[in-house]
Amino acid sequence: EAGVAQSPRYKIIEKRQSVAFWCNPISGHATLYWYQQILGQGPKLLIQFQNNGVVDDSQLPKDRFSAERLKGVDSTLKIQPAKLEDSAVYLCASSLVGAPDGYTFGSGTRLTVV
Amino acid sequence: RKEVEQDPGPFNVPEGATVAFNCTYSNSASQSFFWYRQDCRKEPKLLMSVYSSGNEDGRFTAQLNRASQYISLLIRDSKLSDSATYLCVVNEAHKLVFGAGTILRVKS
Repeated sequence: EAGVAQSPRYKIIEKRQSVAFWCNPISGHATLYWYQQILGQGPKLLIQFQNNGVVDDSQLPKDRFSAERLKGVDSTLKIQPAKLEDSAVYLCASSLVGAPDGYTFGSGTRLTVV
Repeated sequence: RKEVEQDPGPFNVPEGATVAFNCTYSNSASQSFFWYRQDCRKEPKLLMSVYSSGNEDGRFTAQLNRASQYISLLIRDSKLSDSATYLCVVNEAHKLVFGAGTILRVKS
């Protein structure tokens, strides 16, 4: 079974620039999540999709972050404009509805904002 | 108060030692519980689910106390390869809430 695919693996941008991350979940997983993990902290949920609808985006900084999941499969997360404090690993995960067995994470995108 | 709290460590133990990690969670309505392992610069990976009756997987034993809202992980006969960060995870309303993790370093 193919895992959760993410790209790019690494990205370095200057503050105030924009950046986009892409995720392809495990086939058949209706639920997709984007997490932000700052160094030394646990992952923090940014947004949760079920199929192509948003279930929870309460912790997404909507003034600069946006995400979409067109057609209920792939998803993109965008930051515009980036701030220094956005430097983190952005993890995409997918699961069956309700996450009864936890999630499977992708390998993440490491963002550095300079 | 954080939703999921863990001792950050690090726990430095010799090979062969037994080590235990604890975790508390704040939401009594939480539905399911997990331990994830995260190696340096890698993504978190599911180590094991945690059940009310307690469960064991080889050298790893997980326990849940719903009344105290407390989860534990016991690792017996520690190996060098067990060195990692262990994340306590709680399923709240179908989304996983992660603790900050406990660092384990096993040394020869």
